Amino acid sequence: DGGITQSPKYLFRKEGQNVTLSCEQNLNHDAMYWYRQDPGQGLRLIYYSQIVNDFQKGDIAEGYSVSREKKESFPLTVTSAQKNPTAFYLCASSDTSTNEKLFFGSGTQLSVL
Amino acid sequence: GIQVEQSPPDLILQEGANSTLRCNFSDSVNNLQWFHQNPWGQLINLFYIPSGTKQNGRLSATTVATERYSLLYISSSQTTDSGVYFCAVESFNDYKLSFGAGTTVTVRA
Repeated sequence: DGGITQSPKYLFRKEGQNVTLSCEQNLNHDAMYWYRQDPGQGLRLIYYSQIVNDFQKGDIAEGYSVSREKKESFPLTVTSAQKNPTAFYLCASSDTSTNEKLFFGSGTQLSVL
Repeated sequence: GIQVEQSPPDLILQEGANSTLRCNFSDSVNNLQWFHQNPWGQLINLFYIPSGTKQNGRLSATTVATERYSLLYISSSQTTDSGVYFCAVESFNDYKLSFGAGTTVTVRA
């Protein structure tokens, strides 16, 4: 089945620790995105990538880092510099050559111990 | 950046009722999408509709780009329609979608 796979579903971070959230897609999409969702709020863009080996900061990039070494993969690292990391993280992808419909993974809930 | 306002913030419906959700945006757009987030957090793309009208089963959407708003219609609502509905837009000067705060819909049996 084609889709976007995020792992893990739940993740716990200790103070001062970096953690990495995985996002893999087999839709052959060029663009990939990371969004953060806080309770009762909309989605805010962290980083996006429109092509391999290139990515751009979104609206709330501070304390996060990404890489795009392969078309299928767009991992997000939540660094110790992110002081309020507890949130629901959503990865998405789109085919920029067609209608740019955005498709989402099932999300990762990150909590601080 | 572009501003996106959704209304109402909350909506409670009796099963079988019809409803209209609204999305206003502050600039011209070349991309507008509606999403449904179920209670488990999964976001499903309902419509890609930068202009015009589309229908998919009991759901339909209309975007009037010149007046900077879009409407999502839910007809004969079912309990499975419960969740949060998001509107997201992309302006001509940007390359990313900006999301509204959402409308939380609760359909009661």
